[in-house]
Amino acid sequence: QVQLQQWGAGLLKPSETLSLTCAVYGGSFSGYYWSWIRQPPGKGLEWIGEINHSGYTNYNPSLKSRVTLSGDTSKNHFSLKLTYVTAADTAIYYCARGRLFSAPDSWGQGTLVTVSS
Amino acid sequence: AIQMTQSPSSLSASVGDRVTITCRASQGIRNDLGWYQQKPGKAPKLLIYAASSLQSGVPSRFSGSGSGTDFTLAISSLQPEDFATYYCLQDNNYPLTFGGGTKVEIK
Repeated sequence: QVQLQQWGAGLLKPSETLSLTCAVYGGSFSGYYWSWIRQPPGKGLEWIGEINHSGYTNYNPSLKSRVTLSGDTSKNHFSLKLTYVTAADTAIYYCARGRLFSAPDSWGQGTLVTVSS
Repeated sequence: AIQMTQSPSSLSASVGDRVTITCRASQGIRNDLGWYQQKPGKAPKLLIYAASSLQSGVPSRFSGSGSGTDFTLAISSLQPEDFATYYCLQDNNYPLTFGGGTKVEIK
């Protein structure tokens, strides 16, 4: 049973860079697409982007200019960086596992990131 | 981006009721749709993939149907643990997009 465990800074100031990492335990890193999805408090879900084991990425155009996804196959980790954050980026950020063009089936526990001066 | 319109945004129902939630895509997405259940403070849980396939471990009272632009999630007999928020997700085209959610509350 695959488990995703994520971590990163929970409080940022405007214009700083959000950085989160997700570790994959109990499953293969290859053959899957690894996503980041966020949810502002009390609101709906927004897909940020995904990366596969080869480093191939897909990004949401609404965030593409500020987002970088990376992966480390040797550690079974993948990471999210979001630059120049504002209060609008305050959300619970989830990592998740899926396949190409498929609904993610395993999710991390979520990390609340708050942007406040 | 493909827009997913989910309805209703909330509903009240009793234990044992049959509940249906619909999701409409702004363009045809074949059967490339999933349904999630989310409880407060928890990550979403995948219930249905490919519009009608039941994810492993999910009770059979959950079912999905539809193709093209119109999709339905049905709960045949609502149980106390089913009170939650439900989301659809289209995985036909990038960016992947979610419906706005349906909150199922106790009547």
